[in-house]
Amino acid sequence: DAKTTQPPSMDCAEGRAANLPCNHSTISGNEYVYWYRQIHSQGPQYIIHGLKNNETNEMASLIITEDRKSSTLILPHATLRDTAVYYCIVRPYTGNQFYFGTGTSLTVIP
Amino acid sequence: SAVISQKPSRDICQRGTSLTIQCQVDSQVTMMFWYRQQPGQSLTLIATANQGSEATYESGFVIDKFPISRPNLTFSTLTVSNMSPEDSSIYLCSVEEQSTGSGELFFGEGSRLTVL
Repeated sequence: DAKTTQPPSMDCAEGRAANLPCNHSTISGNEYVYWYRQIHSQGPQYIIHGLKNNETNEMASLIITEDRKSSTLILPHATLRDTAVYYCIVRPYTGNQFYFGTGTSLTVIP
Repeated sequence: SAVISQKPSRDICQRGTSLTIQCQVDSQVTMMFWYRQQPGQSLTLIATANQGSEATYESGFVIDKFPISRPNLTFSTLTVSNMSPEDSSIYLCSVEEQSTGSGELFFGEGSRLTVL
């Protein structure tokens, strides 16, 4: 079962940073935080993951609070193509199932 | 990254019939996962398919309704049996990345099933 809570929807102006929050207050010590997104009619796409340190890649940054009970995905300069549903998932590193929650529907506005 | 091909990409079926969805991966993977995404909903895990063993089904899903085969490390099938309109969904195959050890999942583009 999903162990995360996300706002159902958010808007962001094109070119601005999109900050997507996720609560995972029952996260265990061996569980990572993964972020995926699903653009309409496509399969979900991996964005980033982390354990306790902040992470950055070419797509986004992941900020995890010190107590690991919440995290924020940051898209630094949102474009119209970033309009999608974003899913936050907690999971042990490998070998276990991914359970998707309801996600956040992000709309980037011109 | 793994490349996943699903067939069919979409189909329209009659009530009471069965449809088998194929999932082909371009590399050998240990774990494959089947998901269902009903219209406007999130993804729901149906089962985990490991090569050489029976699939493990999630609560609410049974083998008689969703039989799964996993004959080798690159291929799996999901059958939706005795279909009803409530089975109209996108069915997605996914695999866990093996080469980099990142634990990320890769997804196929899905099979969109409409049951009349």
